Amino acid sequence: DTEVTQTPKHLVMGMTNKKSLKCEQHMGHRAMYWYKQKAKKPPELMFVYSYEKLSINESVPSRFSPECPNSSLLNLHLHALQPEDSALYLCASSQGYGLGTGELFFGEGSRLTVL
Amino acid sequence: DAKTTQPNSMESNEEEPVHLPCNHSTISGTDYIHWYRQLPSQGPEYVIHGLTSNVNNRMASLAIAEDRKSSTLILHRATLRDAAVYYCILKQYNNNDMRFGAGTRLTVKP
Repeated sequence: DTEVTQTPKHLVMGMTNKKSLKCEQHMGHRAMYWYKQKAKKPPELMFVYSYEKLSINESVPSRFSPECPNSSLLNLHLHALQPEDSALYLCASSQGYGLGTGELFFGEGSRLTVL
Repeated sequence: DAKTTQPNSMESNEEEPVHLPCNHSTISGTDYIHWYRQLPSQGPEYVIHGLTSNVNNRMASLAIAEDRKSSTLILHRATLRDAAVYYCILKQYNNNDMRFGAGTRLTVKP
């Protein structure tokens, strides 16, 4: 199984809603990533978890709250978002630094629209 | 952070070779050169990576300059399915920091 599964594929939410994006992998990977991608732009790194600990936080606003309950799961909790937060949110995983090729496996993304 | 520079766009004809360049003049000795591509409406996918020597796999070849300040991704016979944005990324072996630059949008003409 070399898949990273993201749910939901599409999400529409109002600015006062609370929602979550979920990501799951069963490859035994110990590093998991969240990226944000706007149309026609490259993915922007948001957060990296390494061995279930937050290792990189790219000064992301607190309305985005990541969580890594275990090494297979990664959540992104969303609250009080703005319309400019509408984007494709990509999850990825890798074996972890110093391990393997460093190859990242990406999910297909969750497309978020904030009204 | 080590940075990469790629042309914004390139065109190729189907079944011809494609050479996608990447400049990384500030590369450090511990930086690996990774290439990813992103097909329309999909997440990025790994293509190839290398450190100093040229590398081949089933998808592509990676040619690395002797001074490591540039590299070239080679697609030996482009197909329509290879139309994508190609990203050249420097990644250190000892951390998980993986950041994308602007990439090169490859168009393949039939």
